[in-house]
Amino acid sequence: KAGVTQTPRYLIKTRGQQVTLSCSPISGHRSVSWYQQTPGQGLQFLFEYFSETQRNKGNFPGRFSGRQFSNSRSEMNVSTLELGDSALYLCASSLEAGGVTEAFFGQGTRLTVV
Amino acid sequence: GENVEQHPSTLSVQEGDSAVIKCTYSDSASNYFPWYKQELGKRPQLIIDIRSNVGEKKDQRIAVTLNKTAKHFSLHITETQPEDSAVYFCAPSYSSASKIIFGSGTRLSIRP
Repeated sequence: KAGVTQTPRYLIKTRGQQVTLSCSPISGHRSVSWYQQTPGQGLQFLFEYFSETQRNKGNFPGRFSGRQFSNSRSEMNVSTLELGDSALYLCASSLEAGGVTEAFFGQGTRLTVV
Repeated sequence: GENVEQHPSTLSVQEGDSAVIKCTYSDSASNYFPWYKQELGKRPQLIIDIRSNVGEKKDQRIAVTLNKTAKHFSLHITETQPEDSAVYFCAPSYSSASKIIFGSGTRLSIRP
């Protein structure tokens, strides 16, 4: 079956702009979680959606938001971009929420803010 | 869940030797204990996991052991090979309502 797909793979944006990233989960998976990965910072949890509802949110400012559609596809949005938002953004899909089942990761979107 | 600590942050071992990475968690209700491997430039992937009703699980050269009393679980890699070089993450969890917290990662390097 098809894996988790993230688009776009690469993005370059200017400070102050906004960006939307997309994640298509594995068919049948209702949980989609998002992470920010920077060198030396590991995988920082942004938020998780399950059946179109945000189940949990990490310690990120309100500029980071997301949503999930009825087909389980998810988007995350970052507004008023800052240089420090440059990172690899990974999404993962799972059968269940809360990380209690295996997470399948997408290839990630590499965001560069200039 | 909640507080997760992973040690060591970096580990270098001679090819053929064993490597052990430890993950300590704070939530005694945790019941799912996975380890993920992320090779350079690739996505993290599950390599082994264990549930709280089992103390140890082995899959060829890798194993995971769980000590629920002490609230830690460990990844063991025996007969290490160059392809084991990667960053390893733990992510203990306890319920579908919990936040997903990954350990800070362990960079494992295998010396030829």
